Amino acid sequence: ETGVTQSPTHLIKTRGQQVTLRCSSQSGHNTVSWYQQALGQGPQFIFQYYREEENGRGNFPPRFSGLQFPNYSSELNVNALELNDSALYLCASRTSTSSYNEQFFGPGTRLTVL
Amino acid sequence: RKEVEQDPGPFNVPEGATVAFNCTYSNSASQSFFWYRQDCRKEPKLLMSVYSSGNEDGRFTAQLNRASQYISLLIRDSKLSDSATYLCVVKTHGTASKLTFGTGTRLQVTL
Repeated sequence: ETGVTQSPTHLIKTRGQQVTLRCSSQSGHNTVSWYQQALGQGPQFIFQYYREEENGRGNFPPRFSGLQFPNYSSELNVNALELNDSALYLCASRTSTSSYNEQFFGPGTRLTVL
Repeated sequence: RKEVEQDPGPFNVPEGATVAFNCTYSNSASQSFFWYRQDCRKEPKLLMSVYSSGNEDGRFTAQLNRASQYISLLIRDSKLSDSATYLCVVKTHGTASKLTFGTGTRLQVTL
């Protein structure tokens, strides 16, 4: 186990709803990244948080937003859900001392939008 | 054009076979390279880093050609437990270092 936990494991929502996904990073890891993995695709980078601020973002619309808390845990919020938001959402944590440090992935939250 | 391209497979091979996966990347600023393994409905896990000098870990050998922007993974003496999706990953470093994944190549090892 990587020590990165995510909740919930599965979630079903309908179009237009909002969802919040949660991630607890591995102890000592202050940098958290979120990825979206659609079926049959590789994970796509959504954004990264460091010291409670977003410091990098992939090609995702503003309805994807996040937070990082003082204990380094993180949330991913998605507003106005669309059918193609159905995917596995992964968070990954690492220490920030070097960007060469390995990222450790959590087990993911599987979101289904109906 | 995708930043990281892989043959999606599937590769169906018998136990004991040698199988090779290839990957190309488009961003010449990429600085680190990896192969990740992802089992069905699980999270990706780092298999090995990839260096220009080539590196080996047991039955697995990875190679990077920066000039051609090409990465390879060779698995010798395939085991049933090697069945998984293998993801080629490149990383750029900076304020927000991000991993860019290929679509993955699915490997099925059979008896």
